[in-house]
Amino acid sequence: QKEVEQDPGPLSVPEGAIVSLNCTYSNSAFQYFMWYRQYSRKGPELLMYTYSSGNKEDGRFTAQVDKSSKYISLFIRDSQPSDSATYLCAMSGGIQGAQKLVFGQGTRLTINP
Amino acid sequence: GAVVSQHPSWVICKSGTSVKIECRSLDFQATTMFWYRQFPKQSLMLMATSNEGSKATYEQGVEKDKFLINHASLTLSTLTVTSAHPEDSSFYICSAISGGGRRPYSNQPQHFGDGTRLSIL
Repeated sequence: QKEVEQDPGPLSVPEGAIVSLNCTYSNSAFQYFMWYRQYSRKGPELLMYTYSSGNKEDGRFTAQVDKSSKYISLFIRDSQPSDSATYLCAMSGGIQGAQKLVFGQGTRLTINP
Repeated sequence: GAVVSQHPSWVICKSGTSVKIECRSLDFQATTMFWYRQFPKQSLMLMATSNEGSKATYEQGVEKDKFLINHASLTLSTLTVTSAHPEDSSFYICSAISGGGRRPYSNQPQHFGDGTRLSIL
């Protein structure tokens, strides 16, 4: 079993739809949770960064962390074609320290005009 | 803020040569940098952790004599792939984190460069 599970997709939705992306994990020691967006042939770009459980909102993006269920989500409202990319969840904490990230496989998202 | 620059973005070279990739933090001091490798349609795999002024820490299975890492200043880390072979062809990405004097448990997020596509013929 992988430490972080993420559905690779691909996921295709129409422009304007609400997109829900999620990851599950097995290590209860994880405390820091991140979502990165990666365009083709580019490095990951940090979208959201949260500590422990709770919600965080930034513009059209909302990140949720439920540590009791070991489940994190990223919601994208009013999705745009420019949101088409691969979305990676990442997390860290515990014995590995706050700095060492464990990534999900990434979900390929396409927003259709 | 938190811009990380990686150079070159793409390199093609012959088998047996050595290739150096640079990673720079442009607007902050990076006490810790990371080097990742990414295969097509796969996630990032951590290769090594680089701390300024000390030896890099390599992940299990990564040959330290093949992937030489130098972190000589707070804004620059380099990865040298020595005697490269076709199986070393991949997308190499660096990231940087500002330690803020609280390493190794800094809670600052990692910021990534745009990667280097390495093709060995």
